Amino acid sequence: QQQVKQSPQSLIVQKGGIPIINCAYENTAFDYFPWYQQFPGKGPALLIAIRPDVSEKKEGRFTISFNKSAKQFSLHIMDSQPGDSATYFCAALYSSASKIIFGSGTRLSIRP
Amino acid sequence: DTGVSQDPRHKITKRGQNVTFRCDPISEHNRLYWYRQTLGQGPEFLTYFQNEAQLEKSRLLSDRFSAERPKGSFSTLEIQRTEQGDSAMYLCASSQNRGEKLFFGSGTQLSVL
Repeated sequence: QQQVKQSPQSLIVQKGGIPIINCAYENTAFDYFPWYQQFPGKGPALLIAIRPDVSEKKEGRFTISFNKSAKQFSLHIMDSQPGDSATYFCAALYSSASKIIFGSGTRLSIRP
Repeated sequence: DTGVSQDPRHKITKRGQNVTFRCDPISEHNRLYWYRQTLGQGPEFLTYFQNEAQLEKSRLLSDRFSAERPKGSFSTLEIQRTEQGDSAMYLCASSQNRGEKLFFGSGTQLSVL
């Protein structure tokens, strides 16, 4: 049962461009929305996270935009670099449960 | 290095054999999670422990799967009578308290021939 839907499946952007990855959720009980970054041969690593009481959060070149009414959130990467090439997962957690539900992932490639 | 270690990194086995994986979490973390990840997909929750208690198991975890965390430290995941559909990356993660920030290990890649 897919509770977090992620798009696109893959994305190619030129260096310096702004890739945008989108996610949508259904369960309004979710109260924490992290993004994880995964490089080949490694486990996912937490990149940035947001709670539904704010509409935007920025950490360095990474920004989450959150639209509570639409039940959507997105990740923007400013001034993208080849080193940002990785798979990105959106995810969600709700307070009555203790497990993070992951989206299906976006494979991002930043061309030099 | 996140501080979560998994062993082995790779395991190749024949269908019908039993396999066991080990996870050593960050020492001060009371929660430990197992996820499974197949190619092109996000991690899927299997089970989690708070200290030594196994608090939730996914429907994905059939009777052939069993996990333990004796004394609330390391954990093992055993798969009995492996099937080709069990081939996947098995990821372990640990966290403190509510589990908002998961620290993942590099996983065990299982191939069932």
